[in-house]
Amino acid sequence: GQQVQQSPTSLVLQEGENAELQCNFSTSLNSMQWFYQRPGGSLVSVFYNPSGTKQSGRLTSTTVIKERRSSLHISSSQITDSGTYLCALCLHNYAQGLTFGLGTRVSVFP
Amino acid sequence: DPKIIQKPKYLVAVTGSEKILICEQYLGHNAMYWYRQSAKKPLEFMFSYSYQKLMDNQTASSRFQPQSSKKNHLDLQITALKPDDSATYFCASSLQGDNQAPLFGEGTRLSVL
Repeated sequence: GQQVQQSPTSLVLQEGENAELQCNFSTSLNSMQWFYQRPGGSLVSVFYNPSGTKQSGRLTSTTVIKERRSSLHISSSQITDSGTYLCALCLHNYAQGLTFGLGTRVSVFP
Repeated sequence: DPKIIQKPKYLVAVTGSEKILICEQYLGHNAMYWYRQSAKKPLEFMFSYSYQKLMDNQTASSRFQPQSSKKNHLDLQITALKPDDSATYFCASSLQGDNQAPLFGEGTRLSVL
């Protein structure tokens, strides 16, 4: 089965609403990170978060390794937050590649 | 300015043909990678190279061959193309040794007819 499960699959928000995206993984890992994929397709790293809580602007990531889960919280969503958020695991080292989830597609409307 | 350049951005090919996807990085990184994103599938790791040498290969098919002519280049040659090869192919790079997370290029969207 898939090692990385993301939920929900998609999310529709009205501008200003908050959202919580979940990532659950079924394996031990070295580190994990969140990526934002623009509607055009390019990928941008949002958080490198092996453990604990990190915040960057309106985004907060919390990772609990022993519970094999990570969450990404978006507060006061904006239209520009629309896109797909991907959870990725580094199981051993980057030479062996990242393992990605299918992502959560977020659509923010005015 | 993008520091990881992938060319072309879009590519259409016929079944059975051969194409080369270009990737150059100007970040001074020593490790480069290829990933593939097919419809309804997760982004999938294909290859990693460090100092122009193969580190890991997760691609079953020998039709996919990375080519590194310079240390900041990692092209991807795909032969005998099939419709199932249609996907967006992402190149990435990082500084290996620092265990640094890779940065990704904008991707090449390949459609095989």
